[in-house]
Parts: sequence; C-alpha cells; structure tokens
Amino acid sequence: ETGVTQTPRHLVMGMTNKKSLKCEQHLGHNAMYWYKQSAKKPLELMFVYSLEERVENNSVPSRFSPECPNSSHLFLHLHTLQPEDSALYLCASSQDRGGADTQYFGPGTRLTVL
Amino acid sequence: GQNIDQPTEMTATEGAIVQINCTYQTSGFNGLFWYQQHAGEAPTFLSYNVLDGLEEKGRFSSFLSRSKGYSYLLLKELQMKDSASYLCAVYDSNYQLIWGAGTKLIIKP
Repeated sequence: ETGVTQTPRHLVMGMTNKKSLKCEQHLGHNAMYWYKQSAKKPLELMFVYSLEERVENNSVPSRFSPECPNSSHLFLHLHTLQPEDSALYLCASSQDRGGADTQYFGPGTRLTVL
Repeated sequence: GQNIDQPTEMTATEGAIVQINCTYQTSGFNGLFWYQQHAGEAPTFLSYNVLDGLEEKGRFSSFLSRSKGYSYLLLKELQMKDSASYLCAVYDSNYQLIWGAGTKLIIKP
C-alpha cells in the first residue's frame, strides 16, 4: 500500500446516524489534514494535525470530530449531520506543518446525507 | 481577504495546447502549486513555483510572476486523459494554503 488511502470511498447516511471516515498515510509524514470539497468551490480546510496534535480547527461544527491516534492514521467522526454536509471529504498529508511542503491527497470519501 | 481566481471551465482539442491562468491576492507568498484532479479521484501534485519564471516538466509547464500575482499552467500535445480539473493553490505568509475553485478542462477529439 502506498500514498494516502481513505475508506470508505462512498457513504450514504441519515441525519441521525453516526459514522467514521478513515485515512491512512504510508509516506512517513508528520502532518495530516481533513478537507471538504464541494462542487465549484475551493477546498475548505477543516482540521490539521502535526505529530498527532491538533494545530488548527477552522470553525468546523461540532458534529465533525477528528481523531489522530498516531502520525499515520486520521479519523473523522460524523454525527447528526445535515444535508448541506454532503460533499467529498479529502485527507492529505505533508512532511511537516509550517513550511511550503507539498500535500499529498487520498482519493476521498463521497458523503451523501439524506 | 485572500483570493485565488481561475476560469471555471475550458475546452480544448486533442493534440492542441491550452493555457490555464491563475491570479492570486494573498497576504504574502511562499509558493504556488498546481494539482490535477480527475473526477472522483485524489488531487495529484503537478508543479511548484516559488521563483519567477517557467518550470517545464514533460508536456506540462508552469509559469509564475510574483509581481503580477499571476501563474499559468501550459499543457501541450493534449491527450484525452488530460480531461480533469486543475487546481491552483498558494502558500501565504503564514504557510496557510489558499485554494482556487479549480478549472475543469474538457478535451474534445
């Protein structure tokens, strides 16, 4: 397994469900990111972790809860989502946080909230 | 506020050349990236410019003018597989990565 992987690739959930998105990076990087990608809009940075510590949280609603148990794994726990949360959720990693490092992305989870 | 502008959609012909422009207004500059994203797939890194000038990498080239806040991605000898969205992103003075909304490139035979 190489690069950045994400599971599941597709997820349909009701507003009362609880689900989790998983990301794993095999690049030996120290920083990991969650982004939201909606059609025709710029990528929205949600959370940043550096060496397993959350360093940024861009005013994301509490119905999204990140978890980073180690530098290779990142989770996004979802509960009581709204239909407007339907989007592509991308995970990325970079060597470090705070420099001009290239970010490498996973294929994303296409989330649909009914 | 910080902003990156790029055309929403462009159409080009197989075998031709296309230039995708990106203009940015950011608080400081620490480099500009171009990514390619096929529908339903991960954005993949194409190029990084931090100094003015042209960087060539096979059929793809990227140009930067910091004084004009301007970059372009040049794709030569277009192939059908080049149909994708192209994302421009800039690191500002705080190393926050600011993203454009992407340009959808449609290649016609």
